[in-house]
Amino acid sequence: NAGVTQTPKFQVLKTGQSMTLQCAQDMNHEYMSWYRQDPGMGLRLIHYSVGAGITDQGEVPNGYNVSRSTTEDFPLRLLSAAPSQTSVYFCASSYRPPGHSTDTQYFGPGTRLTVL
Amino acid sequence: AQKVTQAQTEISVVEKEDVTLDCVYETRDTTYYLFWYKQPPSGELVFLIRRNSFDEQNEISGRYSWNFQKSTSSFNFTITASQVVDSAVYFCASSETSGSRLTFGEGTQLTVNP
Repeated sequence: NAGVTQTPKFQVLKTGQSMTLQCAQDMNHEYMSWYRQDPGMGLRLIHYSVGAGITDQGEVPNGYNVSRSTTEDFPLRLLSAAPSQTSVYFCASSYRPPGHSTDTQYFGPGTRLTVL
Repeated sequence: AQKVTQAQTEISVVEKEDVTLDCVYETRDTTYYLFWYKQPPSGELVFLIRRNSFDEQNEISGRYSWNFQKSTSSFNFTITASQVVDSAVYFCASSETSGSRLTFGEGTQLTVNP
């Protein structure tokens, strides 16, 4: 198993550009989520999905879109990048929502995004 | 809304010392979940433990132990006989009843010196 993979690892954007952060898992996990990590602020939930075709907003969804057309993939789209979106982005997955799962929650290696 | 407070921003200890990382949570839910994660210097996030609000039993896993006390809304994490490899940022988190929406604390940077 490759676990949770994220691409790219690093990205620099100009203000106003759009891009998609990719996240994939090969563990047949139903639950997937996106977080951003900023210095001194811990991780904040952006969007999450409890299964293919089902997504919901987290704590900081503005400026981001998601879709879940397959169990394996959960891409995060930045519609019009802003400097405030400079952050490290983590994708995570588990069989069930973390609170209901007795199994491990797995995280991807992260994408470091800089918006100029 | 959930809130998680990790008042200790940084802790520095000498190897073999015991260290406790504090976590205080706030919630209006009667059913909720608590978590601890580790982020070593390499940057990846590692899930350590999950607890539900109905299980106040302390848990021990090797040198790690967790103390959950509903009376004080705390879920503290103790590392016994710390090692240099324990150096990392540790995050406490909580989730509401659905178990889907995690709220993280700001993290505690633990440095274990040889």
